[in-house]
Amino acid sequence: EVQLVESGGGLVQPGGSLRLSCAASGFPFSSYWMNWVRQAPGKGLEWVANINQDGSEKYYVDSVKGRFTISRDNAKNSLYLQMSSLRVEDTAVYYCARDHSVPGVVFDSWGRGTLVTVSS
Amino acid sequence: DIQMTQSPSTLSASVGDRVTITCRASQSISTWLAWYQQKPGKAPKLLIYKASSLESGVPSRFSGSGSGTEFTLTISSLQPDDFATYYCQQYNSNSLLTFGGGTKVEIK
Repeated sequence: EVQLVESGGGLVQPGGSLRLSCAASGFPFSSYWMNWVRQAPGKGLEWVANINQDGSEKYYVDSVKGRFTISRDNAKNSLYLQMSSLRVEDTAVYYCARDHSVPGVVFDSWGRGTLVTVSS
Repeated sequence: DIQMTQSPSTLSASVGDRVTITCRASQSISTWLAWYQQKPGKAPKLLIYKASSLESGVPSRFSGSGSGTEFTLTISSLQPDDFATYYCQQYNSNSLLTFGGGTKVEIK
């Protein structure tokens, strides 16, 4: 069974930093693109970033470019999101999501999410 | 950026009703479109990809259609478990993915 478990969320002040982790199990982690998707309270879904199998390709939504860094450790079956210069508008539940094996980026497995609150 | 617009934003329906949700793209995305279902406090669940391909394990009452800029998700006979929020997602570009604003399906 595919499992994705996020951790690392919490309350942080504007301008602060936070590192999210996603522990993957139940599938060959190193064979899949991985993603972070977020959802602000009461709002819709927003794709944040993704990374290819060996970490050589990374893409970000414009609003986080230069502030967030996605990375992975295939030996530890783990995905990360380093967030810095956090803003109030970054407040959201952050989901780790696996890319489907079909062509294109489609999210076929999701974690339960971890809440990041940016507030003074 | 490709903008995705869903309509309606809220839909009231009864069990057994046929329900249709529309998603429009600001430019052609061929059939690079997925649909997700999300229940309160839960992660989204993939229903449809490539505009009309049913994800494994998803009931056949769900179907998708469309290409280019206009797409629909249809639930042929609404069941109690289907009351949720539905999102479309375009993946015309693997480096710039966007979701629609969501359609909440409520009990009438």
